[in-house]
Amino acid sequence: SYELTQPPSVSVSPGQTARITCSGDALPKQYAYWYQQKPGQAPVLLIYKDSQRPSGIPERFSGSSSGTTVTLTISGVQAEDEADYHCQSADSSTTYVLFGGGTKLTVL
Amino acid sequence: QVQLVQSGAEVRKPGASVKVSCKASGYTFTDYSIHWVRQAPGQGLEWMGWINPNSGGTNYAQKFQGRVTMTRDTSIRTTYIELSRLRSDDTAVYYCARVIIGTFAFDIWGQGTVVTVSS
Repeated sequence: SYELTQPPSVSVSPGQTARITCSGDALPKQYAYWYQQKPGQAPVLLIYKDSQRPSGIPERFSGSSSGTTVTLTISGVQAEDEADYHCQSADSSTTYVLFGGGTKLTVL
Repeated sequence: QVQLVQSGAEVRKPGASVKVSCKASGYTFTDYSIHWVRQAPGQGLEWMGWINPNSGGTNYAQKFQGRVTMTRDTSIRTTYIELSRLRSDDTAVYYCARVIIGTFAFDIWGQGTVVTVSS
């Protein structure tokens, strides 16, 4: 079975750029998705199909892919961006979905 | 507006079963598959499976096969997840989520249902 690996935590100062990575062997063949989750709330879709942003998501959130790693980039981090971020992918042949372990973003 | 509304918190003893509902509104119910995802306290998201509300077809994560059943009632636009033989490590928030057609992106989530398993 395949796994998605994220760093447990990332810290950044306000106004700086945060980069959160997600690694997995199947990522060159399968799309990645990113979610933001604040305490006590359901996740919110930030990025789909590696780099597409749903309507209503600020432009400072972007996604990219290179080989076995996908990256969520948050430019000009704001205090309100402090949250857990989850990457997700799927096996299109089995339609099984999997999530990374999540990354806690701390805004210093 | 498009939303998924889940049933309220549940408390069960080990060995019992629990059934959680997820009611859809604001869109054509049978056009979008519904997935179930859970989150244990302080942990990440764990995918459990999906149901196609149109056909009733399902696909469950291997970990839950034999213990989970997903069903739907199209007359009331509601999907259900039932988990049996509960253990303490099934204590979690259970979410339903709608998937964008042609992707595996979950664009709409229910508010979550807390299930506590305790003797």
